[in-house]
Amino acid sequence: QVQLVESGGGVVQPGRSLRLSCAASGFTFSTYAMHWVRQAPGKGLEWVAVMSYDGGNKYYADSVKGRFTISRDNSKNTLYLQMDSLRAEDTAVYYCARREAVGPNVRFDNWGQGTLVTVSS
Amino acid sequence: DIQMTQSPSSLSASVGDRVTITCRASQSISSYLNWYQQKPGKAPKVLIYAASSLQSGVPSRFSGSGSGSEFTLTITSLQPEDFATYYCQQTYMTPPFTFGPGTKVDIK
Repeated sequence: QVQLVESGGGVVQPGRSLRLSCAASGFTFSTYAMHWVRQAPGKGLEWVAVMSYDGGNKYYADSVKGRFTISRDNSKNTLYLQMDSLRAEDTAVYYCARREAVGPNVRFDNWGQGTLVTVSS
Repeated sequence: DIQMTQSPSSLSASVGDRVTITCRASQSISSYLNWYQQKPGKAPKVLIYAASSLQSGVPSRFSGSGSGSEFTLTITSLQPEDFATYYCQQTYMTPPFTFGPGTKVDIK
């Protein structure tokens, strides 16, 4: 079955960096675009970034553009999120999610369990 | 960017009730609209995609409708396991694929 497992979260000081990983199994990772979505404590869902199946295309939310970098290693079935210049407002649970598409209709059909990032001095 | 709103922000209902949640987009998004359910401490789960298509494995008491800029999620007979927060999400054209602010459904 499809499994997505995030790791790399923790407590980090403002201005520092952190790299999240999302290990995928149970499907052909190299054929799916993958997303990061975050959720601040007690708040709603915020889309963060997406990378195409081959790494050729990537998009970011304005709130993280220029500070976060999404990447993937299809040989390791792993998605990454490099987070630099972290701010208190980046504190959230970070989920990776698989993009499924039926024609032009996109949905996030599988999600990981999330990893908590806390930015605090 | 496309902005999403949901109403109500919360509601109280009883088991067996019919529940309707509305989602509005700041511009027309055709039928590029998904609905997710999230329970506390868990990842979201997709219920409806393309505005009205039921995700595999989701009970038929969930249904979606709408197109353009106004959409509805309906739960025909609320079950105990349905108490959760529901989010809409637009996936029109290119990212960002924004979510609505959520609607919390709790027990009356």
